[in-house]
Amino acid sequence: SQTIHQWPATLVQPVGSPLSLECTVEGTSNPNLYWYRQAAGRGLQLLFYSVGIGQISSEVPQNLSASRPQDRQFILSSKKLLLSDSGFYLCAWSTNRAKSPAGNIQYFGAGTRLSVL
Amino acid sequence: TQLLEQSPQFLSIQEGENLTVYCNSSSVFSSLQWYRQEPGEGPVLLVTVVTGGEVKKLKRLTFQFGDARKDSSLHITAAQPGDTGLYLCAGAGSARQLTFGSGTQLTVLP
Repeated sequence: SQTIHQWPATLVQPVGSPLSLECTVEGTSNPNLYWYRQAAGRGLQLLFYSVGIGQISSEVPQNLSASRPQDRQFILSSKKLLLSDSGFYLCAWSTNRAKSPAGNIQYFGAGTRLSVL
Repeated sequence: TQLLEQSPQFLSIQEGENLTVYCNSSSVFSSLQWYRQEPGEGPVLLVTVVTGGEVKKLKRLTFQFGDARKDSSLHITAAQPGDTGLYLCAGAGSARQLTFGSGTQLTVLP
């Protein structure tokens, strides 16, 4: 079965420090991968998605970047955190089956609560 | 840009009551999904609806996809405290991306 791991679960960082959040998927190959940010009790804002190694699409301009160094690894980074980067970050994966309703289903990690102080 | 409006934003009801959550858009979606999220966790898929007019039942939950595939509703019968959570609808377009609604925070009081 497929699993997704996201860590750390909670992170407190000072303003100006770097960031690295990691997400890995097991049990599937060539997944589509996603990074979202979620405001408290609200919907999800797509930050980045990737359809393959080294292929990253950014949805919103921001202080963050993403990388996919391996097929099932997705990393969210920042060189210098801002206060506004605080939030709940979610990683997700989906299959790469084109034109399939099942290909639209996304499976989420448990999230990382980031507090920038 | 595809947008999904979800209502109500907050809902607090007594155990045993019925409720309906709505998800509306001016855009057509190839499929629509409903997720439920607990605090501090990621969303978990409840159902996917694909065909216009489709109705799916999951125990006390009934999901409906609009005929034009632009809207959806989630109806819960005889709500229980265990139903408490954030309910999110998400529409799938032509790309491998989902457009999420703004969420409905449901609280069921015992």
